[in-house]
Parts: sequence; C-alpha cells; structure tokens
Amino acid sequence: NAGVTQTPKFQVLKTGQSMTLQCAQDMNHEYMSWYRQDPGMGLRLIHYSVGAGITDQGEVPNGYNVSRSTTEDFPLRLLSAAPSQTSVYFCASRPAPRRPSGYTFGSGTRLTVV
Amino acid sequence: ILNVEQSPQSLHVQEGDSTNFTCSFPSSNFYALHWYRWETAKSPEALFVMTLNGDEKKKGRISATLNTKEGYSYLYIKGSQPEDSATYLCAFHTFSGNTGKLIFGQGTTLQVKP
Repeated sequence: NAGVTQTPKFQVLKTGQSMTLQCAQDMNHEYMSWYRQDPGMGLRLIHYSVGAGITDQGEVPNGYNVSRSTTEDFPLRLLSAAPSQTSVYFCASRPAPRRPSGYTFGSGTRLTVV
Repeated sequence: ILNVEQSPQSLHVQEGDSTNFTCSFPSSNFYALHWYRWETAKSPEALFVMTLNGDEKKKGRISATLNTKEGYSYLYIKGSQPEDSATYLCAFHTFSGNTGKLIFGQGTTLQVKP
C-alpha cells in the first residue's frame, strides 16, 4: 500500500527551465491537490482536482500547470522556473470532495531554482 | 482571501505539562475543520476532522473541540511527552459549488523537553 508517491524527492533547476513534479496515488481517491510550503507561510494551495478531467486554481497558481487525465495521477508542471518557486512541494489526496476526510500526503519534493 | 490563524506560533513545555493551541477560521462557508500533526522530515498526518458545532474528538492524550459559530477550534495535549514534539496544523475546509478546498494555518510548533 504505497499511498501517495511523489517524485523526485529533490531537484535543482536553473532559472527558465521547465519540469514536471509527479504525484500518484493508489487509493482511488477522487480529490488531489498540490501545496507548497515556505518558511513562515505554512502550506499554500497551488492547484486541486475533484476528479479526472477537472482541475481548479488554488491560492498561488501562477507559474504552474496541472492536468488530471487519470484518477491516479496529478502532475504539476513548472513552465519556466523562477527562484521564487524554490520551495517544498506536497501532493495530497482525499477520498472524495464531499467527504470530510483527512488528506494523505506524499513525502514532498524539495525544489531549488538557481 | 480566507484567513486561518493559529496561535501561538511556537511553544516550549516540559514533559508532563498539558498544553493547548488555537485555530481561528472564517465562520461562513464552513464545511469541516481538520487538524494535522507534522513531525520534522516527515509528511503531515491527519489527526481529526470535525464537522459539527460542538464536536469533540479524542485520540489518546490529544483532543480537539470545535466552535463553528465563533470560528475557532482548540487542540489539547494532556501530559505532553517528547514524542509529541511536532508542528500542529489546522485546515479550514470550505465548499463552493461542487468543489471544496482546504486552507491551512501556519501551524503551532511544539517542543517538549524531557
């Protein structure tokens, strides 16, 4: 039972490069989301999805794209990396939008943009 | 912008002390209130999800209460132990149309000294 799997765990990018952070869950959860964690800022919502084919913006969506072609996968794309995107990124999933159940978090991706 | 405030930001207590933290959230568009425990170098883990005004939840020495009318929740730890050292996050679960999202507070970091 893997839960939520994020890859890579660490990444260094140069300014302007693009990359995709991968997130996969094997719990058949409908709801998936991406958060970034910065010192003193807590967890901030980037994008979320309530099911395959449906995505929406969170608090800090600029510079990021997402898609949800399957229930299991929810990749986060950085289009043109900037130093301000240096952060720790967490993917999280919940069973369904209308069930008040807790998140299962992935182990995080530490991204540095130089 | 939805404001979720947690206080205090950090807390240092002696082993055996009891302690409590506060989470303040908007009193409108409330769906649920989540509490998470986040140990260093790990991912956040769900402690409680509360939905009804007056809800009380308990897990071992940790308990939580909810007041949706005034927009606050308390987390209590009875007889703190060094293994309780962690950051405790609350998240305001709100719903709009068919989608919902969780907005996190900045957390309260607890350090329990042996």
